[in-house]
Amino acid sequence: QSVLTQPPSASGTPGQRVTISCSGSSSNIGSNTVNWYQQLPGTAPKLLIYRNNQRPSGVPDRFSGSKSGTSASLAISGLQSEDEADYYCAAWDDSLNVVFGGGTKLTVL
Amino acid sequence: QLQLQESGPGLVKPSETLSLTCTVSGGSISSSSYYWGWIRQPPGKGLEWIGSIYYSGSTYYNPSLKSRVTISVDTSKNQFSLKLSSVTAADTAVYYCARQLYYDILTGYSLPNWFDPWGQGTLVTVSS
Repeated sequence: QSVLTQPPSASGTPGQRVTISCSGSSSNIGSNTVNWYQQLPGTAPKLLIYRNNQRPSGVPDRFSGSKSGTSASLAISGLQSEDEADYYCAAWDDSLNVVFGGGTKLTVL
Repeated sequence: QLQLQESGPGLVKPSETLSLTCTVSGGSISSSSYYWGWIRQPPGKGLEWIGSIYYSGSTYYNPSLKSRVTISVDTSKNQFSLKLSSVTAADTAVYYCARQLYYDILTGYSLPNWFDPWGQGTLVTVSS
């Protein structure tokens, strides 16, 4: 049971816009920034979004993040086949630990 | 370009201690802007943070693992290490090390934050 709640799966067709939600509480998302990681099959996770909505260099602007209250969202526009991956949200919790979401498996149909 | 590499035994017996080392290259582990963390992923499951350490030795641990975890740092070797005691089959996982931002220059906050970059991960199996 993860502290942050994500849907286990999401899907879309090429070119579509997909969003993945991440729900937390006042002690984590509500008071700290949210980060998102992309894990392509068989590889290590990679930072995708940091500080709620910032993209590291090299991450396409098709990926965007937002936060409101105790929830956050990752949006992927212009969906491509190479976006098929697992996506995880994470945040610092005021109880002095890092909390992750359970992950969302994105399928490109 | 900063790189991290995990190393250690791939097979550990139940009740024994799992020991892994992360070697940092291309940058100094003694940077005041970063913590250094361990994250694991059981086969087919999600990510679980284990703990993080600062170059000074200050640590944060996952409360659910705290009684069994020790993370240490060796600045002379640019390495940090993980020890997990009394392992069971439930500790079988890919173990990742990663750099964790601590001082955010934009916000001015000092708080363990995002992980970037990550090591490639190493699979540790607990079995007799």
